[in-house]
Amino acid sequence: DAKTTQPTSMDCAEGRAANLPCNHSTISGNEYVYWYRQIHSQGPQYIIHGLKNNETNEMASLIITEDRKSSTLILPHATLRDTAVYYCIVRVLWESSASKIIFGSGTRLSIRP
Amino acid sequence: EAQVTQNPRYLITVTGKKLTVTCSQNMNHEYMSWYRQDPGLGLRQIYYSMNVEVTDKGDVPEGYKVSRKEKRNFPLILESPSPNQTSLYFCASRTRQGKNIQYFGAGTRLSVL
Repeated sequence: DAKTTQPTSMDCAEGRAANLPCNHSTISGNEYVYWYRQIHSQGPQYIIHGLKNNETNEMASLIITEDRKSSTLILPHATLRDTAVYYCIVRVLWESSASKIIFGSGTRLSIRP
Repeated sequence: EAQVTQNPRYLITVTGKKLTVTCSQNMNHEYMSWYRQDPGLGLRQIYYSMNVEVTDKGDVPEGYKVSRKEKRNFPLILESPSPNQTSLYFCASRTRQGKNIQYFGAGTRLSVL
């Protein structure tokens, strides 16, 4: 899997958009960008994934640059409950191997009131 | 509601006393995994299963056993727990058919005294 780099920490005011960047300059053509988050000591939670087009769901939006070397996760109206560690990873869509997931250090997002 | 259910959520035990952490998923997923999460070490895969009666070792299998007699259940067994198995444990599942999204349980915090 391609390596990703993310800022160690960020903060955002409640109600504002939180924009979390991720670099994945060695991403392969068949690898997707996935985002997960982990609220303190809870199970990691899938947020969104995409290949090259921008994606949006009920939780967030994902913007992937045209060269696919970086992406941004957008939480449009951050709330205190969005305080968590956010992980950006790249994986192929079809995988029949051990299927283990490896998170890097992620970005610790703090939402301030 | 689609979910992965782990029990118990919290467990304190003593060295050598056999215990089982249960995991059940209601999404008919083929793949299931157990991870442990320790500070500074991230998620590490203990065991995984690609289908009923098919299990294999992950990265840190020593001291653990698993079984997959039914598709929905994947219990983690510690035959003789030791203090170095004190950790936060997560069960995860995913379907074999595309999307490659892992769904995690809420976690089991185990303390071995």
